[in-house]
This record gives sequence, C-alpha cells and structure tokens, in this order.
Amino acid sequence: DAGITQSPRYKITETGRQVTLMCHQTWSHSYMFWYRQDLGHGLRLIYYSAAADITDKGEVPDGYVVSRSKTENFPLTLESATRSQTSVYFCASSAGAGGEQYFGPGTRLTVT
Amino acid sequence: RKEVEQDPGPFNVPEGATVAFNCTYSNSASQSFFWYRQDCRKEPKLLMSVYSSGNEDGRFTAQLNRASQYISLLIRDSKLSDSATYLCVVTPTPGTYKYIFGTGTRLKVLA
Repeated sequence: DAGITQSPRYKITETGRQVTLMCHQTWSHSYMFWYRQDLGHGLRLIYYSAAADITDKGEVPDGYVVSRSKTENFPLTLESATRSQTSVYFCASSAGAGGEQYFGPGTRLTVT
Repeated sequence: RKEVEQDPGPFNVPEGATVAFNCTYSNSASQSFFWYRQDCRKEPKLLMSVYSSGNEDGRFTAQLNRASQYISLLIRDSKLSDSATYLCVVTPTPGTYKYIFGTGTRLKVLA
C-alpha cells in the first residue's frame, strides 16, 4: 500500500534548468494538488487537478507547468528554475473536493 | 486579515499536561475543517477532521465554533511524541479545491 509517493526526494539544480518533480498515488483519488512550503508561509497551492486532463492554477502558479494524463500521476515542471523556487514541494490527493487530503513525503528542491 | 490564523507558539508544556490550540477563520461560509500534524518539515499528516458536533480521537478533541469562527484542538495527557507543529486547514466554499492552511502552532512537550 504505497499511497502517495514523490520523486526525487532531494534535488539540486542550477538556475535556468528545467526540472520535473513526480507525484504518484495508488488510491485512484480524483483530486491532486501541488503545494510549496517556505519558512514564514503556510502551504501555498501551485496547481491542482480535479481529474485526468483537468488542471487549474492555484495561488502561486507562475514558472510552473503541470499535466495529468493519468489519474495516478501529476508531475510538476519548473520550466526555467529560479532561486526563488527553492522550497519544499508537497503533492497531495483527495477523493473529493473539500475532503481529507493526504500528502506525499515531499521534495526538497534547491536552485543554485 | 488572514483567512486562517494560528498562534505560532511555541507552546512549551510538561508531559501529562493538557494543551489547547485555537484557529480562527475569516470566511463564515467555510465548510470543511481539519487539523494536521507536521514534524520537522516532513509532510503534513491528517490528525482529524473537525465536525460541527465536535469529535474525539483518544487524547485529541476537536471543536468547531461557527458563531465565533474558530476551531480548537485539545490534547490531553501530552506525550513527548506530541511535539510537532499543528496546522489548521479550512476549505472556504462547498466542493472547493481550495484548502487554506494556517502557518501552524508549534508544540514542545517537555520531559
């Protein structure tokens, strides 16, 4: 019972590089989310997806791209990484809108 | 005013103590409420959902006060392992994707 997994767990990349963070869930939850967490801020929503092929922007979407071709996967791509994108990224899923969310272990990304 | 506000703490309490946290929310139409626990920048883990009638899970009790727009979490008989940051989460409208997270209240249980 893997639940929700993220990869890589740690990533160091250089400014300007493209990087993709992976998220996979085994519950067949309809909703999936990407958050970033920075000191002094609560979790901030980057993008969410209500189902395969349905995605929408959250609070801080600039510089990020998502896709969801399959229910279980929700990759997040930083098209051209910037230092301000250094953060801890959490993926989450929920069975329904407004329901309980379950989080992956996170990816700690450092952009140098 | 922030949509969800929590006292950042830290709350330092001795083992065995009872401690309570409150979380206020600004949107009176808010629908769903949750408490999560987060350890040292690890992933948030669902502690409990908060229902209108209140709910209890072992040493943990959650309450919702719609009139005053806050939720509370009571921890009885605190354990060292309860040391963590407790996040309040609110969904502002029915069927929404938008979960609003508080910045958390830090609890330290001391031996």
